[in-house]
Amino acid sequence: NAGVTQTPKFRVLKTGQSMTLLCAQDMNHEYMYWYRQDPGMGLRLIHYSVGEGTTAKGEVPDGYNVSRLKKQNFLLGLESAAPSQTSVYFCASSYSAFPKTSGEFNTDTQYFGPGTRLTVL
Amino acid sequence: QKEVEQDPGPLSVPEGAIVSLNCTYSNSAFQYFMWYRQYSRKGPELLMYTYSSGNKEDGRFTAQVDKSSKYISLFIRDSQPSDSATYLCAMSRGSNYKLTFGKGTLLTVNP
Repeated sequence: NAGVTQTPKFRVLKTGQSMTLLCAQDMNHEYMYWYRQDPGMGLRLIHYSVGEGTTAKGEVPDGYNVSRLKKQNFLLGLESAAPSQTSVYFCASSYSAFPKTSGEFNTDTQYFGPGTRLTVL
Repeated sequence: QKEVEQDPGPLSVPEGAIVSLNCTYSNSAFQYFMWYRQYSRKGPELLMYTYSSGNKEDGRFTAQVDKSSKYISLFIRDSQPSDSATYLCAMSRGSNYKLTFGKGTLLTVNP
């Protein structure tokens, strides 16, 4: 059981280049998320998905696109990379969003991958 | 005013000290409160979660939520060098799946 994995671990791009970050989870989770983490800014939600074939915008979606063609995979694309997209990108997944019983979060926590460090020159 | 405020530190303590980490928030709709631990160059991992107000204890860790003051805390007793990490608070309204994170506090426990 690998949990949440991300590829690649590191990448350097030139301005204007494109790339795709892959997130995979083997926990049969319905929900998947892409965050970026920047110094002094904390974790910010880029896009998320509530199930196979669905995607939605988060807090900072501009410049990114996502796809969830298979339940276990969530792809984050940068069509034309900009230096402002230099960041550490984390994928996360969770079984569901809602508590199973009243007042209990149960086990529906978000599990994070190890991150992808992206530098755009 | 930001929804979640967290002192970024850094915080440096000697081994064995009691550590107190805190977050304040402005959105009274938050019901679920979490603490994540993030080691250097790793992804965050869930450490503690609490629903509504009250305390929750797990080994050396205690999470407290005071909804009337919109204030949450994480206490670490008998701190160890292995506790050195960034601690992120996170909150959710519970009716959706979005977590709002604090910026994290960098903790160093010195042997």
